[in-house]
Amino acid sequence: AQSVTQLGSHVSVSEGALVLLRCNYSSSVPPYLFWYVQYPNQGLQLLLKYTTGATLVKGINGFEAEFKKSETSFHLTKPSAHMSDAAEYFCAVSDVFDDMRFGAGTRLTVKP
Amino acid sequence: GAVVSQHPSWVICKSGTSVKIECRSLDFQATTMFWYRQFPKQSLMLMATSNEGSKATYEQGVEKDKFLINHASLTLSTLTVTSAHPEDSSFYICSAIAFARQVMNTEAFFGQGTRLTVV
Repeated sequence: AQSVTQLGSHVSVSEGALVLLRCNYSSSVPPYLFWYVQYPNQGLQLLLKYTTGATLVKGINGFEAEFKKSETSFHLTKPSAHMSDAAEYFCAVSDVFDDMRFGAGTRLTVKP
Repeated sequence: GAVVSQHPSWVICKSGTSVKIECRSLDFQATTMFWYRQFPKQSLMLMATSNEGSKATYEQGVEKDKFLINHASLTLSTLTVTSAHPEDSSFYICSAIAFARQVMNTEAFFGQGTRLTVV
């Protein structure tokens, strides 16, 4: 079975600072990895995903994530935080045989 | 922490029959629940937003007469796949929104998902 661990349920950064949201996964087969963002009272929005190929994945809104197999990690980063980035972020893992499993989520707060 | 229970976790049904999937928030009241569908190797697709006591809001391309959503209470939302066909076979997952006082903001919690196979 697959699982995802998001380190840090709450992360606070200043506007303009680096955003780093951590995600580690467990999977016995090559994983598909996803990052989603959820704004209040809205459904999930896909930020980016990794399936195969290049391990550095670029997504929307300036976010990117790097798949590191040796570390079983898929951390999400953004060089410069914007106030509009404040939201809840979910890391998820899936593969061709299994269904999507989510981390517990990380609440990102951006301070002016 | 908050728990969302989705039932059943898997179901096999005959083509033409209807299947009901339940999503319950066990220890909190969820004013809003979301229903998603996952296709193999793909990300989730939002099907509809369900608000307690009102009609669900469906995303474009989702047939509301086929995917009936009922949110009768603050702890229960149901998705009924009517007259199921093999192409409806998929993984369906629900999410419930709770207000977290400690952060004065909403948080989302996910059900375990339901694997539907229509034969």
